[in-house]
Amino acid sequence: GQQVMQIPQYQHVQEGEDFTTYCNSSTTLSNIQWYKQRPGGHPVFLIQLVKSGEVKKQKRLTFQFGEAKKNSSLHITATQTTDVGTYFCAMNTGFQKLVFGTGTRLLVSP
Amino acid sequence: EAQVTQNPRYLITVTGKKLTVTCSQNMNHEYMSWYRQDPGLGLRQIYYSMNVEVTDKGDVPEGYKVSRKEKRNFPLILESPSPNQTSLYFCATWGGGETQYFGPGTRLLVL
Repeated sequence: GQQVMQIPQYQHVQEGEDFTTYCNSSTTLSNIQWYKQRPGGHPVFLIQLVKSGEVKKQKRLTFQFGEAKKNSSLHITATQTTDVGTYFCAMNTGFQKLVFGTGTRLLVSP
Repeated sequence: EAQVTQNPRYLITVTGKKLTVTCSQNMNHEYMSWYRQDPGLGLRQIYYSMNVEVTDKGDVPEGYKVSRKEKRNFPLILESPSPNQTSLYFCATWGGGETQYFGPGTRLLVL
């Protein structure tokens, strides 16, 4: 089946440092979604990218979709303790059937 | 307020004892699905439903059953739970836009 690889698995940063997580697929993606899951919480939708080379920003978060639509990244500028959680990318294979990456757990120390 | 509710939130049971985890949504969404989340594996889809009486297998359906008799409810049934079904379960709904809405999760331990 289709798979989405996500790296790193875990990152621990000091507050104020930047953070990036990467998502890679062996096949071309029709679109990609990003979710955040706080510790003990449920996944919450952040954004969807559809177009080749697309870049979207949400405050300190920057999302990119690769030109070949096989990879995506989420970059957080100047992390804050509220950014703690696990970030998942998810490939939408049709009718919202999502294949999730394994997630990147972010820990931010004050 | 748009809501996806799951019950129970926590459950400890024994091998072979049938159980049902309920999922209910108040958004009139046609699409509902179930995921399980395990460490290092992310979320994997168990079953999904495109509408009432329409269900289909996801990536890990073995050992699970579902039913969709009404639009708002999508229960997950474990006829004979086994320890490898110990996991965190999420119900999710989609109404046609970008966003998929997840329930709060049900943590299941099968002894």
